[in-house]
Amino acid sequence: GDSVTQMEGPVTLSEEAFLTINCTYTATGYPSLFWYVQYPGEGLQLLLKATKADDKGSNKGFEATYRKETTSFHLEKGSVQVSDSAVYFCALNNNAGNMLTFGGGTRLMVKP
Amino acid sequence: DVKVTQSSRYLVKRTGEKVFLECVQDMDHENMFWYRQDPGLGLRLIYFSYDVKMKEKGDIPEGYSVSREKKERFSLILESASTNQTSMYLCATLRASGYTFGSGTRLTVV
Repeated sequence: GDSVTQMEGPVTLSEEAFLTINCTYTATGYPSLFWYVQYPGEGLQLLLKATKADDKGSNKGFEATYRKETTSFHLEKGSVQVSDSAVYFCALNNNAGNMLTFGGGTRLMVKP
Repeated sequence: DVKVTQSSRYLVKRTGEKVFLECVQDMDHENMFWYRQDPGLGLRLIYFSYDVKMKEKGDIPEGYSVSREKKERFSLILESASTNQTSMYLCATLRASGYTFGSGTRLTVV
């Protein structure tokens, strides 16, 4: 079946550091890929998405590129802020029912 | 914006109790989902529903049931709570533009 693997956290960075959170997937066909973010005490929010190979999703300074050849969708941000501290989930959707398959989540902690 | 409201933020229940987790949406969305969130495991789908009185098992339905008597409300039921059901439970709806999640219910079974 489909699966998503993302780097374990926590990831601890200083403010303005460069961020990469790795995400790789296993799926048949051509899934859509997503990054969700969960701020403390809140539900998940869609951060960005990409629906086909070589698409780049971007939002709030975050970017991720759909790489079919490496089955990856790594999340990057050039300069993180304390307010980016959250848990980040990589996910895919590969079926007509639109159900999501999630990775294990990566906690990001940004220190001033 | 769509709002998905989960009735309780925190719950503490005893082993063997019957537990109801409620989720209400304020739009007319057919698709509703219940996930549980555990550290390192991400979100795992328990049950989902495509319409009133319809339900489908997700990946981990054992020990749970659901009820969807009205379109706006989707309830998750733990028939006899056990300590391994201690978790964060998230409800979500789906529309064309994507998922909307509730804030979650953190359930502790003692």
